[in-house]
Amino acid sequence: DTAVSQTPKYLVTQMGNDKSIKCEQNLGHDTMYWYKQDSKKFLKIMFSYNNKELIINETVPNRFSPKSPDKAHLNLHINSLELGDSAVYFCASSWDSGNTIYFGEGSWLTVV
Amino acid sequence: DAKTTQPPSMDCAEGRAANLPCNHSTISGNEYVYWYRQIHSQGPQYIIHGLKNNETNEMASLIITEDRKSSTLILPHATLRDTAVYYCIVRVLTSGSRLTFGEGTQLTVNP
Repeated sequence: DTAVSQTPKYLVTQMGNDKSIKCEQNLGHDTMYWYKQDSKKFLKIMFSYNNKELIINETVPNRFSPKSPDKAHLNLHINSLELGDSAVYFCASSWDSGNTIYFGEGSWLTVV
Repeated sequence: DAKTTQPPSMDCAEGRAANLPCNHSTISGNEYVYWYRQIHSQGPQYIIHGLKNNETNEMASLIITEDRKSSTLILPHATLRDTAVYYCIVRVLTSGSRLTFGEGTQLTVNP
């Protein structure tokens, strides 16, 4: 019974396309995150939502737009995909943003 | 959040204890020490955290020095499945705080 689940796990798409990655958590947490891990393996936070409110928004191109329909879901929409967007995207959640953060298994995005 | 320093890689024999060091000499009084690991092709996995006392759970033990400037994560009986990148992170537990990952230590457990 996966606590933080992401779909799709793998996504290959062409430059210029628009795609979405979905995330759901069944832990009852009120804070959710998106992290990006690039080819050099550095993990960096992109966004954080607490109770559907955006609380962290790092310097990310505005082609990336998170959407939180409710506390259990945080989806990531990416418009006009570029080659440099190829990475692994991790969703995560926690009870309040000051507590232990739990991660999903990642979504491998490849832009060709 | 304070910066941490970890060795880039370590090796350990299967069945032996793995001791992973972390320096955080600029840690503040309200910053916790967190350890995560990332097994190849998986998401980061929470291991343990502490403020100043030593902590133990089913996965590992965390030893924090009295001055809190360094800590050691101990895997008491390492297995091949413990091969992963281990991240030591310091952070305050307040609203809006974040996990800032460094480069971590690649631990390889050898048979």
